[in-house]
Order: sequence, then C-alpha cells, then structure tokens
Amino acid sequence: GQSLEQPSEVTAVEGAIVQINCTYQTSGFYGLSWYQQHDGGAPTFLSYNALDGLEETGRFSSFLSRSDSYGYLLLQELQMKDSASYFCAPGGQTNAGKSTFGDGTTLTVKP
Amino acid sequence: DGGITQSPKYLFRKEGQNVTLSCEQNLNHDAMYWYRQDPGQGLRLIYYSQIVNDFQKGDIAEGYSVSREKKESFPLTVTSAQKNPTAFYLCASGTYTLSYNEQFFGPGTRLTVL
Repeated sequence: GQSLEQPSEVTAVEGAIVQINCTYQTSGFYGLSWYQQHDGGAPTFLSYNALDGLEETGRFSSFLSRSDSYGYLLLQELQMKDSASYFCAPGGQTNAGKSTFGDGTTLTVKP
Repeated sequence: DGGITQSPKYLFRKEGQNVTLSCEQNLNHDAMYWYRQDPGQGLRLIYYSQIVNDFQKGDIAEGYSVSREKKESFPLTVTSAQKNPTAFYLCASGTYTLSYNEQFFGPGTRLTVL
C-alpha cells in the first residue's frame, strides 16, 4: 500500500529555521518532490530529490534518505510570506511522473 | 509566456448537471494531470495522461471523465455520477525523467454544485 505522513501544522517566528518532515511508503518510488501552496492559490514546485542527501535552493533545502523512506524540507530565515501549506510528494518516472500528495503541513510564521 | 491555464476560475452548477473544466498548456509537456482538493486537505489524483489519446485513472476517478485529443488540452468532465463534486480542481502538466520530476499547476477552478 501507499502511505504518506507529514505534521499537520507547524508554527515558527520570523527569522527562525523550521524543518518539515515527511515519511512515505509508496510503490514505484523514484524521488521526492516538495510543493508550496498559499491559501487559495495553486501549488508551486520547490524541489525534487532523486538521490540521497541535501539539495539547497536559496533559503530552502530538501533532504532525502531512500533507505529510511524519509525526507524533510528545511526553511531558513523564515519570512511572513512563507506562511503556506507544504506538500511532500513521492513519485517519479513510473506512470508518467505520477506523484502522491498527502494532506500537507500548514506553516504559520509569526512576527 | 509559457504556462497552464484553467477556465473558468469559479463555476456554479445545479445538481445533476454535467460540467466540463478546461485545461490548456503551452509548455510542450507530454504529461498532464487533474487533481481535486477539498478544504484543508491535500491533492487527490483524478486522472492523468502520458500522451495524446491515452489517459489513466487516478485514485478518485469515479464520476469523472477526461479526453486528450491534443497535446495542449486535457479537459475534465464532472458528471452527475460524482456524488460530492463541490471542490477546488487543479490541472497540472509535467516533465519527468529518471532524475527529475516537476509539475506545473494552473490557477484552478472552484466548482460549486448547488
């Protein structure tokens, strides 16, 4: 079967660092994507990890451990605009790049 | 500008009516997807298509139908058989390889069935 776990809510203050964890169990796994969705908007792509290790893109970094079926998104120097929902989505080349999205993590950044 | 468009942004229909949601992309992507999102929840895959004239059911295909006659277009029909159609519908197109997978989302259509 397939399962995906993320914390439902995370709260942090401006300037802080926050880590959003993701554990998954899915067939046809090739990599782990992360998406951001602001309230009322469409998801936007943040990162994709195909290999173990850390990928850094500006203030955001994403980590994958395939052996542990685990990944995380690290957000540094938090800003108010980072308040959004964050989804991890395991998937990849199998079945036309189909990814599985969970319920996501709602991040609230406070002043 | 390259992108993916959905229309309309808001759609109201009476119960029992079929309704078709439009999705167009000019990103030259082979793969396209339809998701449903309910308030406070994640995205659930309805249908996806890897190539023209071919599509596959996702996790919640019952009550929906799609077509893929052109690479650029992937319309979704919400039929009267869908028991609870009120939701936010998101279309995406994507590029994927062994080492990369990214989906680009349209702005979505909010469907309300009265």
